[in-house]
Amino acid sequence: QSALTQPASVSGSPGQSITISCTGTRSDVGYSQSVYWYQQFPGKAPKLIIHDVTDRPSGISDRFSGSKSGNTASLTISGLQAEDEADYYCVSYTVSNTMLFGGGTKLTVL
Amino acid sequence: EVQMLESGGGLVPPGGSLRLSCAASGFTFDTYSMTWVRQAPGKGLEWVSSISYTGDYIAYGDSVRGRFTISRDNSKSTLYLQMSSLRPEDTAVYYCAKGRDSRAIRSAWDYWGQGTPVTVSS
Repeated sequence: QSALTQPASVSGSPGQSITISCTGTRSDVGYSQSVYWYQQFPGKAPKLIIHDVTDRPSGISDRFSGSKSGNTASLTISGLQAEDEADYYCVSYTVSNTMLFGGGTKLTVL
Repeated sequence: EVQMLESGGGLVPPGGSLRLSCAASGFTFDTYSMTWVRQAPGKGLEWVSSISYTGDYIAYGDSVRGRFTISRDNSKSTLYLQMSSLRPEDTAVYYCAKGRDSRAIRSAWDYWGQGTPVTVSS
């Protein structure tokens, strides 16, 4: 299975909003409500920021939001802050009962 | 406090075997699914394998199926990954992660270990 498609990089200025897309197929993102987003800083373990397409775990800022339309899931970060600069990964459950990650997106805060 | 501590990583020649362990604490281990995720140097995350809280349901990624075996010992609160027929492309940091939802077969992973590095090279 090929990885879900994410832009390699996105950037934005402090205070702006950015959106990271995660495109799959009807066998993964289009099939499942089990789409998650992770934030990862260099040398650190990933951190869950969105689960089940739209839900934020306790303690995650409401500046992070998730959505899905068809075969594409999206992560939006509003009110961008310097501390948001990190790598972001989507992952989806698939019709084959496996999990599939996106290739990751490097967010740069200008 | 939830903690997962991986161990067992190291340098192994191609074709060799290695067993990773993940000792968990701070939660009721036998009610949560567990997962292994890996990350090759400078690359993205790759799902390796997941096991249900009872151990009855197991799934593997295409790249490791038939070579890796996931298991758990609920009496020891420990997750394992037996890796055999190792290839250079298996070189990565291996993370164990805990399922978020109690008694769920499928769940996001809310706590991760710090990772253990595996290098496959002659």
